[in-house]
Amino acid sequence: AVQMTQSPSSLSASVGDRVTITCRASQVIRNDLAWYQQKPGKAPTLLIYGASSLAVGVPSRFGGSGVGTDFTLSISSLQPEDFATYYCLQDNLFPLTFGGGTKLEIK
Amino acid sequence: VQLVQSGAEVRKPGESLNISCQASGYRFTTYWIGWVRQMPGKGLEWMGIIYPGDADTRYSPSFQGQVTISVDKSITTAYLQWRTLRTSDTAMYYCFRRGVIEATSGAVAVDFWGQGTLVTVSS
Repeated sequence: AVQMTQSPSSLSASVGDRVTITCRASQVIRNDLAWYQQKPGKAPTLLIYGASSLAVGVPSRFGGSGVGTDFTLSISSLQPEDFATYYCLQDNLFPLTFGGGTKLEIK
Repeated sequence: VQLVQSGAEVRKPGESLNISCQASGYRFTTYWIGWVRQMPGKGLEWMGIIYPGDADTRYSPSFQGQVTISVDKSITTAYLQWRTLRTSDTAMYYCFRRGVIEATSGAVAVDFWGQGTLVTVSS
């Protein structure tokens, strides 16, 4: 199975900061990567698909990049509602696999 | 699009269980539907997926033989079944839909999720 290594596992930041989260795949997955946001007690929601395409309704401060094995999620100016846990998911090969998650906390 | 999951369950070790995920608002047979586990305080784990159109089913090696995924096309519902529960099955379980999200490019993604079903296994 494709292993997804996500970093950092936790991150403290302030409102207005720019943050970056990375995922590395253990093999080439083209651009078959998605990013999800999960808030406590809620189901995940799709932010980015195809490594860089913004899902419907997602604010433009979220951005994704990368191809092959290395991928990045950026949030350009953190808002209070962005403090949550973020996961990457490779969708190139079954079984699909998640990164370990990044918990974004308020500094 | 809506995925509505069945309610919370409490079972004893060794018991069996079926939880469900009823889909609506789209053509059920043309999107994959699957399941994710989230143990308390932990990350998301992909369990498996089924294509209702032909019942093609894939499992993560971690869950192969431990659970069964099935669908009933007549009621647009997917199921996750355990024959013998263990205390380590205590978790939140989410269903999801996977399919073409962008017709022009053919991009595929897991785009909609159920609200989750909490399963508690305790003696």
